[in-house]
Amino acid sequence: KAGVTQTPRYLIKTRGQQVTLSCSPISGHRSVSWYQQTPGQGLQFLFEYFSETQRNKGNFPGRFSGRQFSNSRSEMNVSTLELGDSALYLCASSWTTNTGELFFGEGSRLTVL
Amino acid sequence: GNSVTQMEGPVTLSEEAFLTINCTYTATGYPSLFWYVQYPGEGLQLLLKATKADDKGSNKGFEATYRKETTSFHLEKGSVQVSDSAVYFCALVKYNFNKFYFGSGTKLNVKP
Repeated sequence: KAGVTQTPRYLIKTRGQQVTLSCSPISGHRSVSWYQQTPGQGLQFLFEYFSETQRNKGNFPGRFSGRQFSNSRSEMNVSTLELGDSALYLCASSWTTNTGELFFGEGSRLTVL
Repeated sequence: GNSVTQMEGPVTLSEEAFLTINCTYTATGYPSLFWYVQYPGEGLQLLLKATKADDKGSNKGFEATYRKETTSFHLEKGSVQVSDSAVYFCALVKYNFNKFYFGSGTKLNVKP
């Protein structure tokens, strides 16, 4: 059974640019969550989508947005990149909102220069 | 608010040593508690979980007990192996929200 797939795995951008990251959840999973991982702040919740609806959102500025498609695949977008956006962005999927278990992808490492 | 605090790392042990990684939490209501592990270059994997007070989660020789009176969920293993070298994250979630709160992670290095 395929796991959670994130693309691209690595990318380098410059300040002011925008970036789109993609996540394909495990087949059958309808919930997709996004987390930002940095050495200083650890893992921080960005948002969660379930059946194409954003169900929950963390404390990030509006530059961070996401969406989920009818096949449960999800994308997140960061506009007007700042140096502090450099991080590992992790996607996690689960069957529903209340399973209590997340299955993580390997992440997309974003470097902003 | 909800938060998780875990001991600073790195923790360096010799193979077959006893492991304890401390984790305490702050939460309203009755959260579920988890330990996730991240091996180098990989995403996080669920190690074990406990959903109510006094529950003990266990997996691969690791175990942790949900202690509501001390708001703790310490991770233990009786005999660590080199292959256990990884970063361990304590986390909580409250049902009806899929928003996990993670601790800062504790890096474990096991030397042969």
